[in-house]
Amino acid sequence: DAGVTQSPTHLIKTRGQHVTLRCSPISGHKSVSWYQQVLGQGPQFIFQYYEKEERGRGNFPDRFSARQFPNYSSELNVNALLLGDSALYLCASSLEGLGAPNGYTFGSGTRLTVV
Amino acid sequence: QKEVEQNSGPLSVPEGAIASLNCTYSDRGSQSFFWYRQYSGKSPELIMFIYSNGDKEDGRFTAQLNKASQYVSLLIRDSQPSDSATYLCAVQIANAGNMLTFGGGTRLMVKP
Repeated sequence: DAGVTQSPTHLIKTRGQHVTLRCSPISGHKSVSWYQQVLGQGPQFIFQYYEKEERGRGNFPDRFSARQFPNYSSELNVNALLLGDSALYLCASSLEGLGAPNGYTFGSGTRLTVV
Repeated sequence: QKEVEQNSGPLSVPEGAIASLNCTYSDRGSQSFFWYRQYSGKSPELIMFIYSNGDKEDGRFTAQLNKASQYVSLLIRDSQPSDSATYLCAVQIANAGNMLTFGGGTRLMVKP
């Protein structure tokens, strides 16, 4: 079975631009969560979606948005990119939306560099 | 005060020794605790999770939880150079859905 797949793997954008990151969860998993990991820090929660509905939002500005599609894949959109948005963006897949007892499975991430 | 705290390290241990990684958390509503390993440039991978006070063993790894002290640790026995990585502690708080709050990670170096 394929794991969590993310695309693209690497991306370079200019300040002020917009970016869309994509994630496909493990087959059968209905929950997708997004995390931002700045170099040298732990991942920070951005969003969680379950059954196409937003179930949680972290402390990120409105420039960050996301959605989940009927096939449970997800997109993370970031508008008006800032240098500080440079990070590894991780997508996490889990079977259920509330209290994943076995933790997440992370994708390999998208490395975003804003110049 | 950070919600989940870890010593950033690096923690250096000789091959074959026991590596002890520690994590403290501030929210007493925390109910589930996870340890992830992250190699440089890679994404985190789940090593263990623990919910109940006490010890939980899986191969060379032992997770220890003390909710009264708000403390969780990971012991790695017979450390190998391949264990050299950053270890992330993560906490799931009751009624916070699926969200995990991560510590900053501890970098472990196992020297041959």
